[in-house]
Amino acid sequence: LAKTTQPISMDSYEGQEVNITCSHNNIATNDYITWYQQFPSQGPRFIIQGYKTKVTNEVASLFIPADRKSSTLSLPRVSLSDTAVYYCLVGEGRGNNDMRFGAGTRLTVKP
Amino acid sequence: AAGVIQSPRHLIKEKRETATLKCYPIPRHDTVYWYQQGPGQDPQFLISFYEKMQSDKGSIPDRFSAQQFSDYHSELNMSSLELGDSALYFCASSLWGRETEAFFGQGTRLTVV
Repeated sequence: LAKTTQPISMDSYEGQEVNITCSHNNIATNDYITWYQQFPSQGPRFIIQGYKTKVTNEVASLFIPADRKSSTLSLPRVSLSDTAVYYCLVGEGRGNNDMRFGAGTRLTVKP
Repeated sequence: AAGVIQSPRHLIKEKRETATLKCYPIPRHDTVYWYQQGPGQDPQFLISFYEKMQSDKGSIPDRFSAQQFSDYHSELNMSSLELGDSALYFCASSLWGRETEAFFGQGTRLTVV
């Protein structure tokens, strides 16, 4: 049973805000939600991580509702260089490593 | 800043040959992960190590083995190579307790002919 479910693909245009939602209905109490970005032929890159409410860094924001059964990665004002595959992972870390990638979301940003 | 180093970057082998991929984690990182990514596919978790001990095992074929050494570098050994083993192999490292914040290497592209 997949731990996370994301849309297979999304299209956007330069300058728009993009929101990618991930469902994780069976998230455990100690699990964190982590998002990675991957460009073709490169290793995934850590973007952002959160446990609850909202987290923001220089790259993105992560919104997590109170029930934590989903999360939304928000990319403000995307550019062509944001075209990539985005992965949502849930896991505890803290010695219980669970770094399995599910099916990511292929974001295509158009001019 | 130092990153995860993988070698070689490219490797071409014939069927039934063996291959060894190396991974040097970020200094002070004690956990290493290996992934296989075929064309157009998502990264598939193979195996991970913490402090030289296997910590988690995924879809690693019996023909493959891996270990982590005392200096924390790791090697993935692949024997009896098959055409289907052609893929990008990524290594990642992290700190114990912060496993979900992993840093990935550039990958090794293995081509089996």
